[in-house]
Amino acid sequence: QKEVEQDPGPLSVPEGAIVSLNCTYSNSAFQYFMWYRQYSRKGPELLMYTYSSGNKEDGRFTAQVDKSSKYISLFIRDSQPSDSATYLCAMRKGGSNYKLTFGKGTLLTVNP
Amino acid sequence: GAGVSQSPSNKVTEKGKDVELRCDPISGHTALYWYRQSLGQGLEFLIYFQGNSAPDKSGLPSDRFSAERTGGSVSTLTIQRTQQEDSAVYLCASSLEIGNNEQFFGPGTRLTVL
Repeated sequence: QKEVEQDPGPLSVPEGAIVSLNCTYSNSAFQYFMWYRQYSRKGPELLMYTYSSGNKEDGRFTAQVDKSSKYISLFIRDSQPSDSATYLCAMRKGGSNYKLTFGKGTLLTVNP
Repeated sequence: GAGVSQSPSNKVTEKGKDVELRCDPISGHTALYWYRQSLGQGLEFLIYFQGNSAPDKSGLPSDRFSAERTGGSVSTLTIQRTQQEDSAVYLCASSLEIGNNEQFFGPGTRLTVL
């Protein structure tokens, strides 16, 4: 079992829809949780990161972490065609472990 | 300021040749990271630098892979005797300091080994 699991999709939604992207993880040592967006043939771009369980909101994006269930989510409200990209979750353990462990990414298409 | 830059953007090489991939981090960023992204494996950590030091080399796939960083800035990832399974996009990222979770990625080098 991989440490981080993410449904690769693809996920196709109409413009304006609410999108839910999810990752599960198996190692309770993960303490920091990030979401990256990656456009085709570009490097990943950090969208949000959280440390504790709960919700964090930034504009149309909400990141949610449930450490008891080892489950994280990213919600995108009022999705736009420009949101079409691959979304990657990433996690880091605490202390002096600085390695990010990524999910395989979910390909999202928002149709106008 | 400028973001992370990587060169070359594309590299095609023959099996058995050595290749060097270069990363220029954001100015002032002391931490630098290398990752590899392939279709089957997703994004995998290779190595990170704190200044010029690489405390964790556990992600390097084999002893054919090495990396160095000089002057606390530019880093080079070298792959010796390339194999077809080395074909992937090699991504570099930097952060202001080690432990800062905001890693900024470059566009990557797409390596194809024939």
